[in-house]
Amino acid sequence: KAGVTQTPRYLIKTRGQQVTLSCSPISGHRSVSWYQQTPGQGLQFLFEYFSETQRNKGNFPGRFSGRQFSNSRSEMNVSTLELGDSALYLCASSPDASNEKLFFGSGTQLSVL
Amino acid sequence: GENVEQHPSTLSVQEGDSAVIKCTYSDSASNYFPWYKQELGKRPQLIIDIRSNVGEKKDQRIAVTLNKTAKHFSLHITETQPEDSAVYFCAASLNEKLTFGTGTRLTIIP
Repeated sequence: KAGVTQTPRYLIKTRGQQVTLSCSPISGHRSVSWYQQTPGQGLQFLFEYFSETQRNKGNFPGRFSGRQFSNSRSEMNVSTLELGDSALYLCASSPDASNEKLFFGSGTQLSVL
Repeated sequence: GENVEQHPSTLSVQEGDSAVIKCTYSDSASNYFPWYKQELGKRPQLIIDIRSNVGEKKDQRIAVTLNKTAKHFSLHITETQPEDSAVYFCAASLNEKLTFGTGTRLTIIP
């Protein structure tokens, strides 16, 4: 089985731009979560989707949004980028609705200049 | 919501010695506690987990203990080896949401 795939691997943007990140979960996994990873802050929860519905949302501003498609693939969008948005964005999928065992992708490294 | 605190943030131990990482959580309704290991430049991977109805779980050189009354859980690694060097994250699950600690960078000194 292929693992969780995130694209692109690296992104460089400038302040004010917007960006879309993509995540393809493991086949059969219907839950997808997004995390922001920065040095010293660990893994900050952004949101989680199950069967195209957002079940949970973290404490991030409305500039961060996401969605999930019928094939369980997910995208997250960040609008009006700020320097502080520079981070590794990790997507994780889970095999069931409990969303307990997470399988992470390699992440998208976003740099905002 | 749930809040997870993790200590220490960095830990260096001599190869062959034991390492202990501790976490506390805030919501007594949390019922599942996994630990993830992230090697340099790689994705986090689940290494061990424990449910709230169990006090201790072992898997070869690693073990996790849970004290529900005190709302804390710990990761124990015995006979440490160089490949144990990594960042370790604890987490607590509440309402289908995993909240992670801030991580512990473990360095094994040869």
